[in-house]
Amino acid sequence: EDQVTQSPEALRLQEGESSSLNCSYTVSGLRGLFWYRQDPGKGPEFLFTLYSAGEEKEKERLKATLTKKESFLHITAPKPEDSATYLCAVPGGSQGNLIFGKGTKLSVKP
Amino acid sequence: SAVISQKPSRDICQRGTSLTIQCQVDSQVTMMFWYRQQPGQSLTLIATANQGSEATYESGFVIDKFPISRPNLTFSTLTVSNMSPEDSSIYLCSVGEGRGNTIYFGEGSWLTVV
Repeated sequence: EDQVTQSPEALRLQEGESSSLNCSYTVSGLRGLFWYRQDPGKGPEFLFTLYSAGEEKEKERLKATLTKKESFLHITAPKPEDSATYLCAVPGGSQGNLIFGKGTKLSVKP
Repeated sequence: SAVISQKPSRDICQRGTSLTIQCQVDSQVTMMFWYRQQPGQSLTLIATANQGSEATYESGFVIDKFPISRPNLTFSTLTVSNMSPEDSSIYLCSVGEGRGNTIYFGEGSWLTVV
C-alpha cells in the first residue's frame, strides 16, 4: 500500500534558524513527489514537484531534495511568514489522485 | 496554473440540512477531484468528478451522501447531504494539469455543522 510519512509533526524555530522537514514514502513506481504549503483555513498552495532521485528545486528560502526513499524540505534562515503546515504527497491513488502525509506544522518565532 | 474558485468559502449549517459547494476553474481541465480535510487531519480524497458521467468515489464515501455533478470541463459541484457534526471539515476542489498532472487546489469551503 502506498504510504507517505512526514516528520516531525511540529517544528518550532527561531527566526533565522535553519532546519529540514522529512517526507518518507513507499510507492510502487514513483511518478513525482509534491510539496505544498497550507495556511490555516485555506487550500494547499503548490510549491514543488520532484521526479527523480538527486533532483533539487529551490524557491526563496525553501529547497526540496529527493532520494529513492525520502524527500527533504530545507528551510534556510526562516522568517515568521514561513509559518504554515507543509504537506508532502505522491500520486498513488487508483484515480490518479495524490496521497498526502499528515504534514509538518512549522512555527517561526521572531 | 489554473485559477480555482470555490463557493461558499465558509458556512455554518444546521444538522440534517444539505449544502452544495461550487467549484469554477478558469480553464478546461481533465482531472477534477474533491477532497475533505477534517480538523487537524490531512487531506482525504472523496471522489473524482468525471465530465459527462457519474463520479468515482473512494472507499467510505457514497453518492447518496456526497452527490457530485460535473456538467463541463470547468465546473463541478459537491453536495454534502443530511449533515451531521462529523461532516464539519474543509472541502477542497482540486484540478490536475501540466507535466505529471500537478494538482492545484482551491481555497476550500470550511463547513461547520451545529
